[in-house]
Amino acid sequence: EPEVTQTPSHQVTQMGQEVILRCVPISNHLYFYWYRQILGQKVEFLVSFYNNEISEKSEIFDDQFSVERPDGSNFTLKIRSTKLEDSAMYFCASKLAGNTDTQYFGPGTRLTVL
Amino acid sequence: ILNVEQSPQSLHVQEGDSTNFTCSFPSSNFYALHWYRWETAKSPEALFVMTLNGDEKKKGRISATLNTKEGYSYLYIKGSQPEDSATYLCAQPPNQAGTALIFGKGTTLSVSS
Repeated sequence: EPEVTQTPSHQVTQMGQEVILRCVPISNHLYFYWYRQILGQKVEFLVSFYNNEISEKSEIFDDQFSVERPDGSNFTLKIRSTKLEDSAMYFCASKLAGNTDTQYFGPGTRLTVL
Repeated sequence: ILNVEQSPQSLHVQEGDSTNFTCSFPSSNFYALHWYRWETAKSPEALFVMTLNGDEKKKGRISATLNTKEGYSYLYIKGSQPEDSATYLCAQPPNQAGTALIFGKGTTLSVSS
């Protein structure tokens, strides 16, 4: 069964460093998402991506964040200068098309900023 | 701002018990409700997408109902098993055009054998 994959599973970085989190969505899906969950809090939407551009983003997704689909399979989230408060589990998700279609999630990348 | 609430926050039951928990949401501007099951270190697994008032969905021993007029959905687990131990999340899109999901905080279920 197709699944969303994410790498790495854990990432430890120093404050101020750039990190790139990688995702491979399900191959025929058209919509791609990043969410995050800070420990003990709700899963929060960051950004959605469709047709090679951002379609929605939340207030969290400021200029320090960017997304890219560099080829036909990968979808990346870059944080330019990490802060302590960026420590969270970051989830990638993808869905086929319609508004009520299921979003399929990856297993997440645990980012720890020291 | 859409606010999705879940209760209880956590629940501990014995194997074989049936249980249920609640997802509450604003009854205005409803578009869909998603339920996910999330085990530690695994991907959140999609259980149901519900769109119509009165919807009932079933997957094995897990079922869900939807009341859009009063703004709640119930998730039921019949005859809980230890492998049902997980966090159950509900989520809604905030508007018709948008596709982002707004999540509740989840209900963490622990089933003892």
